[in-house]
Amino acid sequence: SAVISQKPSRDICQRGTSLTIQCQVDSQVTMMFWYRQQPGQSLTLIATANQGSEATYESGFVIDKFPISRPNLTFSTLTVSNMSPEDSSIYLCSVRGARTEAFFGQGTRLTVV
Amino acid sequence: GEDVEQSLFLSVREGDSSVINCTYTDSSSTYLYWYKQEPGAGLQLLTYIFSNMDMKQDQRLTVLLNKKDKHLSLRIADTQTGDSAIYFCAESDDSGAGSYQLTFGKGTKLSVIP
Repeated sequence: SAVISQKPSRDICQRGTSLTIQCQVDSQVTMMFWYRQQPGQSLTLIATANQGSEATYESGFVIDKFPISRPNLTFSTLTVSNMSPEDSSIYLCSVRGARTEAFFGQGTRLTVV
Repeated sequence: GEDVEQSLFLSVREGDSSVINCTYTDSSSTYLYWYKQEPGAGLQLLTYIFSNMDMKQDQRLTVLLNKKDKHLSLRIADTQTGDSAIYFCAESDDSGAGSYQLTFGKGTKLSVIP
């Protein structure tokens, strides 16, 4: 199984600011994903982080708001830009190889005030 | 888009068996997963089943898959208070047209009564 380290684990941010969340995996993985879990809700996929190219975003999510980097096969970042209280959520990094199980980081609990 | 449905709440007595049910719509589902989320924590992978299997057992956990009816269940034997959590069902489509991402249900909150 993959061990995923996500930082920060939680943060309280002022509206209008940006927060960058880091995801580090202990082994090379084919696929990395970023999900959002709004309070009391299920998980929604934000984007697939592609190594060496632009991320693939799901409907309703745009690069200007959620820029993603993936410089190598073990690391990715998600930035939540120009935050508003509606961005208060848990953000989770997920990894998997082709035809293998999917693992999740512990998540970043973001509160925007 | 594809959909995953599960009941929102389940309450059982300690020592009884819990059965959490899930239905999905994607005919091309490759893997089906069960995750556990405790308050304030991330998602813990409990077990998963490949779509060409109909059953998988792992200690107290039994997963049953009825592919024809697109129905998945998770049975927890001898349920303990530590099993109280939200359980998410999820599926992935790893076929040529799929994207390897997971689609989640809304989660079933399991409450274990001592």
